[in-house]
Amino acid sequence: RKEVEQDPGPFNVPEGATVAFNCTYSNSASQSFFWYRQDCRKEPKLLMSVYSSGNEDGRFTAQLNRASQYISLLIRDSKLSDSATYLCAVKSGGYNKLIFGAGTRLAVHP
Amino acid sequence: EAQVTQNPRYLITVTGKKLTVTCSQNMNHEYMSWYRQDPGLGLRQIYYSMNVEVTDKGDVPEGYKVSRKEKRNFPLILESPSPNQTSLYFCASAYQRDRVHEQYFGPGTRLTVT
Repeated sequence: RKEVEQDPGPFNVPEGATVAFNCTYSNSASQSFFWYRQDCRKEPKLLMSVYSSGNEDGRFTAQLNRASQYISLLIRDSKLSDSATYLCAVKSGGYNKLIFGAGTRLAVHP
Repeated sequence: EAQVTQNPRYLITVTGKKLTVTCSQNMNHEYMSWYRQDPGLGLRQIYYSMNVEVTDKGDVPEGYKVSRKEKRNFPLILESPSPNQTSLYFCASAYQRDRVHEQYFGPGTRLTVT
């Protein structure tokens, strides 16, 4: 089983829709969680961190469910510019690295 | 401009011909890392470096070498490339071990080994 798993999608949604992705992790000792965004053929960029209490940044909300070992990303009022691949990343305590999921592709259409 | 640069951006080579992909950052970051990205597998760490002269293996180090002689540079060396090393490679850097999650990625190097 992969340490970090994501539904590859694609999620095809119209502009204005609300869409949510989940990401499951297998290591219960994982401490820190993040979402990265990657545009086609470009480098990943940090989108937001995921705190235990949840984290909201404009139209984006990230949440953590430790009991079920998953994190989620909710995008409200989708824009065409949100079309990208969203990677979740997990940092386990004591390890100086991130484990990335394979990504979920989002396509927002007019 | 703060950035991570990689060269070359695209490379087609033949099996067994040694190559080096350079990576340089101008942000005085201590932490640097190399990843490869393959369809369905996501980003997998090859090697990382906590500081000058300090390197360690990631999840997929076989067939690769690195060095960190200067803080800003972290080249990736393929001594004898094979077709299974065809991939998209990213270099990344971060301020320090406590902020390894805030990684700044280079633009990527697309390598094809025939």
